[in-house]
Amino acid sequence: SQKIEQNSEALNIQEGKTATLTCNYTNYSPAYLQWYRQDPGRGPVFLLLIRENEKEKRKERLKVTFDTTLKQSLFHITASQPADSATYLCALAGGTSYGKLTFGQGTILTVHP
Amino acid sequence: GAVVSQHPSRVICKSGTSVKIECRSLDFQATTMFWYRQFPKQSLMLMATSNEGSKATYEQGVEKDKFLINHASLTLSTLTVTSAHPEDSSFYICSAYDRGDEQFFGPGTRLTVL
Repeated sequence: SQKIEQNSEALNIQEGKTATLTCNYTNYSPAYLQWYRQDPGRGPVFLLLIRENEKEKRKERLKVTFDTTLKQSLFHITASQPADSATYLCALAGGTSYGKLTFGQGTILTVHP
Repeated sequence: GAVVSQHPSRVICKSGTSVKIECRSLDFQATTMFWYRQFPKQSLMLMATSNEGSKATYEQGVEKDKFLINHASLTLSTLTVTSAHPEDSSFYICSAYDRGDEQFFGPGTRLTVL
C-alpha cells in the first residue's frame, strides 16, 4: 500500500541554524510533491511544489529537493527563526488521482531563540 | 494568493443532530473542491472530492450518506455531517485549486459532538 513517512514527529533547533525535514514514500509514483506549513487550529498553507522531473526548488529561505530514485524529498529552512515554528507537511499528488493530495503525518518544528 | 473561507470556524452540537459546513472560494471559481478531516496529532485525510454540478467522489471508508456534499456553484461547496456522533468530532478542512497545481486550504472547522 502507499505510504508517506516524515522522518520525525518533532524537530528542535536553535535560531539561525538550518532545519532539514525528510519525507519518504513507498509504492507511489507522484507527479509532484508539495510542502505545507500548518499552525495549530489552522488550515495548511502552501510553501513549495516540486515536480518529478525537477531536482531542486528554492524560495527565499526555503529549499526543496526531490529524489525519485530514493523516493525522498528534503525540505530545508535556512537561517531559521522562532516564527518558523509550526508543523510541516509533505503531500504527494499524481497518477490517475491528479489533484488529490496524500499527506504525510507532519513534523513539528520548534526553533528556539 | 487565492482565498478559501469556511463557516463556521467552530461548532458544538448534541449527538444526533446534523451540522452543515460551508466552504467558499472568495476570489476565484473552483470547479473542484476537496474535503479533508484531521484528528488530533494526525495528518489530513481526504474524505471526498466535490465537483460542481455533479456528485461527489468519496474515498474508501467514507460513508456518503453520513457526509453529504453539495457543490451547487463555482464558489461554494457544503459538507453536512448527518446524525453526528462523538466519533465525528474532528477538524474539517476544505481546499480548492485556482490555476496551476497549488491547493488553497480553508482555515478549518472544529466540530465537537457532545
